[in-house]
Amino acid sequence: AQSVTQPDIHITVSEGASLELRCNYSYGATPYLFWYVQSPGQGLQLLLKYFSGDTLVQGIKGFEAEFKRSQSSFNLRKPSVHWSDAAEYFCAVGAQAAGNKLTFGGGTRVLVKP
Amino acid sequence: DAGVTQSPTHLIKTRGQQVTLRCSPKSGHDTVSWYQQALGQGPQFIFQYYEEEERQRGNFPDRFSGHQFPNYSSELNVNALLLGDSALYLCASSLLGQGGQPQHFGDGTRLSIL
Repeated sequence: AQSVTQPDIHITVSEGASLELRCNYSYGATPYLFWYVQSPGQGLQLLLKYFSGDTLVQGIKGFEAEFKRSQSSFNLRKPSVHWSDAAEYFCAVGAQAAGNKLTFGGGTRVLVKP
Repeated sequence: DAGVTQSPTHLIKTRGQQVTLRCSPKSGHDTVSWYQQALGQGPQFIFQYYEEEERQRGNFPDRFSGHQFPNYSSELNVNALLLGDSALYLCASSLLGQGGQPQHFGDGTRLSIL
């Protein structure tokens, strides 16, 4: 069975500082990995995805993530955070065999201090 | 290009009632998935519809049922509502068979049970 763990429930970061959100997954084969962002009262917006190939993937809004198979991790990073990055971030794992069903982590809420 | 649209935006029901939520997928998509997101948690997979049939189902009781129409739109029905059914219900669409194709989410329907 697929599972995703996001160890940090809340993270507070100063504007302009770097950000790293952790994600660990469990899946028997090569997973498809995603990061979504959710602003209050909104749906989920896709930030980036990993299917295969280069383990460092670039996404929208200046985010990037690195897939590390040996650590079963897919951490999200941003070099310099903007106040508009305050939101909830979800890591998700999917697989073609599962027909695009996604399993989500519990999310990390990011607060940005001025 | 219209994205995933859901209606209604908000809904208030009482225990024991029945509710129907609606979803129109992104243009060109043929698969609709439904997720339940309780407050402070990540989305949980309810079920997925393709070619008007339920393909996959998560760990939800039979009170949760759905339908997909020939135009790919979908409905989620919940019978005998419980207080614990209060949540944000998210619809996501994708193209089946496109391995790892990211799902596109709507803004959700906020269901409150009194």
